[in-house]
Amino acid sequence: GDSVTQMEGPVTLSEEAFLTINCTYTATGYPSLFWYVQYPGEGLQLLLKATKADDKGSNKGFEATYRKETTSFHLEKGSVQVSDSAVYFCALVHSGGGADGLTFGKGTHLIIQP
Amino acid sequence: GAVVSQHPSRVICKSGTSVKIECRSLDFQATTMFWYRQFPKQSLMLMATSNEGSKATYEQGVEKDKFLINHASLTLSTLTVTSAHPEDSSFYICSAIRVGQPNTEAFFGQGTRLTVV
Repeated sequence: GDSVTQMEGPVTLSEEAFLTINCTYTATGYPSLFWYVQYPGEGLQLLLKATKADDKGSNKGFEATYRKETTSFHLEKGSVQVSDSAVYFCALVHSGGGADGLTFGKGTHLIIQP
Repeated sequence: GAVVSQHPSRVICKSGTSVKIECRSLDFQATTMFWYRQFPKQSLMLMATSNEGSKATYEQGVEKDKFLINHASLTLSTLTVTSAHPEDSSFYICSAIRVGQPNTEAFFGQGTRLTVV
């Protein structure tokens, strides 16, 4: 079956550092890929997505590129802020926008220190 | 973005009792909602697909008689954990699907932390 593997946390960085959170997947066909973020006390929010190979999703300074050859969708940000502290989930689905249930990674807790 | 409200956010109950969790889409209609469960240090796992006006579809290994799902309207789905046991203690989260406008997208509730003592 489908699966998503993302790096274990917590990841602790200083403000303005470069961020990479690795995500790889196993799936049949051509899934859509997502990054969700969960801030303390809130529900999951869609951060960015990509629906086909070589697509780059971007939002709020975060980027991730759908790499089919390496089955990866790594999340990057050039300069993190304290407000980026949250749990980040990589996920996939076989329909275009989430009309089916999502398959999630375990989540990566990101802590940004001033 | 669209809002999905999940209630309660935390609940503690005694073994053998039942607990109901509500998931509401506040500003859109959702014919499809999903229920997930997350154990500590594990992924969010899909439990069931809730379709308005019909029976829920459960994932393999999820007991339908234990986790009762009702999706009686286009804005409300409920998950009832019946005869709860300590091993049911987990984080439960729902999502509602908004179709179109311009893309189909899943919106998530805040989650419910269930502790069974």
